[in-house]
Amino acid sequence: NAGVTQTPKFQVLKTGQSMTLQCAQDMNHEYMSWYRQDPGMGLRLIHYSVGAGITDQGEVPNGYNVSRSTTEDFPLRLLSAAPSQTSVYFCASSSQDNTPGTEAFFGQGTRLTVV
Amino acid sequence: DQQVKQNSPSLSVQEGRISILNCDYTNSMFDYFLWYKKYPAEGPTFLISISSIKDKNEDGRFTVFLNKSAKHLSLHIVPSQPGDSAVYFCAASGKAAGNKLTFGGGTRVLVKP
Repeated sequence: NAGVTQTPKFQVLKTGQSMTLQCAQDMNHEYMSWYRQDPGMGLRLIHYSVGAGITDQGEVPNGYNVSRSTTEDFPLRLLSAAPSQTSVYFCASSSQDNTPGTEAFFGQGTRLTVV
Repeated sequence: DQQVKQNSPSLSVQEGRISILNCDYTNSMFDYFLWYKKYPAEGPTFLISISSIKDKNEDGRFTVFLNKSAKHLSLHIVPSQPGDSAVYFCAASGKAAGNKLTFGGGTRVLVKP
């Protein structure tokens, strides 16, 4: 019962490099999202998807791209990494209707450092 | 402009005593509130939730209270146990907000044996 799987767990990038954070879920959830966690800021929504082929921006989308070609996968791309993107990134999924209060299941996180 | 605020970044409590975590929100369109618990190097996990039509929800040692007029909710943990030491996030959602979760900044709880 894997739930939500994120890879890698740790990553160090140089400024200007690009990379993709992977996220996969095996619960057949339609709704997936990416958050970043920074000290004192809680979790802030970057991008989300309500189903395959549909994505939308969250609170802090600048510098990040997403795509959703399958129900299971929701990768997050950093096109040109900046030190301000140093953070811990969490992927989450929840059931299709995502009605208020629907529990979200989170991955273990990716700790990204941009130098 | 944070719509969900947890004004206490940390809380220290003796084992067996009550832990009270507070959360304030500004958006009156929120109609569901959740608490998540996070251990180091792990993702947040759902703890307990409450609908805006209720003022209390209890699950074992955990109780959440909602005061809609004050736009305030609190999480009570009784009795506190060392395994409760974690960061607790308050979150809010609602149809008008697209059912997206908005999180507070978190409160780090340390339960001392």
